[in-house]
Amino acid sequence: EVQLVQSGAEVKKSGESLRISCKGSGYRFNTYWISWVRQMPGKGLEWMGKIDPSDSGANYSPSFQGHVTISADKSIATAYLQWSSLKASDTAIYYCARHKYSDSSVLDYWGQGTLVTVSS
Amino acid sequence: QSVLTQPPSASGTPGQRVTISCSGTYSNIGRNTVNWYQHLPGTAPKLLMFSDDQRPSGVPDRFSGSKSGTSASLAISGLQSDDEADYYCEGWDDSLNGVVFGGGTKLTVL
Repeated sequence: EVQLVQSGAEVKKSGESLRISCKGSGYRFNTYWISWVRQMPGKGLEWMGKIDPSDSGANYSPSFQGHVTISADKSIATAYLQWSSLKASDTAIYYCARHKYSDSSVLDYWGQGTLVTVSS
Repeated sequence: QSVLTQPPSASGTPGQRVTISCSGTYSNIGRNTVNWYQHLPGTAPKLLMFSDDQRPSGVPDRFSGSKSGTSASLAISGLQSDDEADYYCEGWDDSLNGVVFGGGTKLTVL
């Protein structure tokens, strides 16, 4: 069974750093891209960027470029989303999702979400 | 402002058919396929339709998708109370070189 299991909820202060994780199981992790998607309180889904775990090549939405870093460690089937300096506006639920096919935007399996709360 | 445009809300009574639209441009819907997700609060989004009109295993045939030009639609027939959720269209945008979502449509079953 394909599963993406994300790390638990985080409460941080503005300016702090954070890394959240997404561990894949039940499939060949390095064969499928992983995307990260943000949902701010009361808002819709926003694509942040994706990574190809086979070579750790990442690309980002212009809205998130430079503010977050997406990485992966294929040896432990885990993708990461990282901030070096959080802002209160980063408060949101973050989902990881697997791309069904390479070169496709279809997101067929999703993690359960990680709630990040940043206080100013 | 989302790249793909959806109505913020839709509604229907049990048994009715409702349609949710998704409008884009040539660089996204015009050149690439559209996918749809169902999202219940507090849960992970669920893939509902992919490649314009393909249902993943387990999705009932009450759900159907279509696309024409730079617009796509999701239709739900035989509306049920369980269908009350947020629905998002999504696709690849060649100009942005990334995934784009619609703003979401909140479906209410009256």
